[in-house]
Amino acid sequence: AAGVIQSPRHLIKEKRETATLKCYPIPRHDTVYWYQQGPGQDPQFLISFYEKMQSDKGSIPDRFSAQQFSDYHSELNMSSLELGDSALYFCASSSQGSTNEKLFFGSGTQLSVL
Amino acid sequence: AQSVAQPEDQVKVAEGNPLTVKCTYSVSGNPYLFWYVQYPNRGLQFLLKYITGDNLVKGSYGFEAEFNKSQTSFHLKKPSALVSDSALYFCAVRDYGQNFVFGPGTRLSVLP
Repeated sequence: AAGVIQSPRHLIKEKRETATLKCYPIPRHDTVYWYQQGPGQDPQFLISFYEKMQSDKGSIPDRFSAQQFSDYHSELNMSSLELGDSALYFCASSSQGSTNEKLFFGSGTQLSVL
Repeated sequence: AQSVAQPEDQVKVAEGNPLTVKCTYSVSGNPYLFWYVQYPNRGLQFLLKYITGDNLVKGSYGFEAEFNKSQTSFHLKKPSALVSDSALYFCAVRDYGQNFVFGPGTRLSVLP
């Protein structure tokens, strides 16, 4: 079965550079969530989209932006990268409209800022 | 506001012994409760969920969890632990239409 696809798997950037992370949800899933997990920390919610509109916003820095496209894939754009942005970035997808929904997670993008 | 607590940073058990990973929650409405597992260098994987119905929920890899409304708990259990169960376990909660909130995680170490 198709899963949530994230690219790239690993990304190395330097301070003040920009990065773009991509997420392809499970087919027919209309909701995408982005989570950041720092070393030894629990996943922190960044932002979510439902039907290409932002649905919820968490602890996402102003330097970051995201969007969901017409094919439901999502991109997280990160500018002016800082050392503290080094983390594992998870994307998850789900299908709204059901109380039974659960999240399906991608394998994550490991971002290292040097 | 929703919140999840996992009071133990780490749990160690011997292989073959029963294990329990604790989770308590706070949510305004009816809780939807989940357990996820994270193996080293892997993404989060779904284990089980409670939406409604039987308080004892059975999930993947022989895990189960018991929903206790009066104690607002959703402890993860397994009758006989395996070394391969060693991983990071996250409890999560959500209200309908709301975002998932994850607990801080509990590292389970199963000793041979």
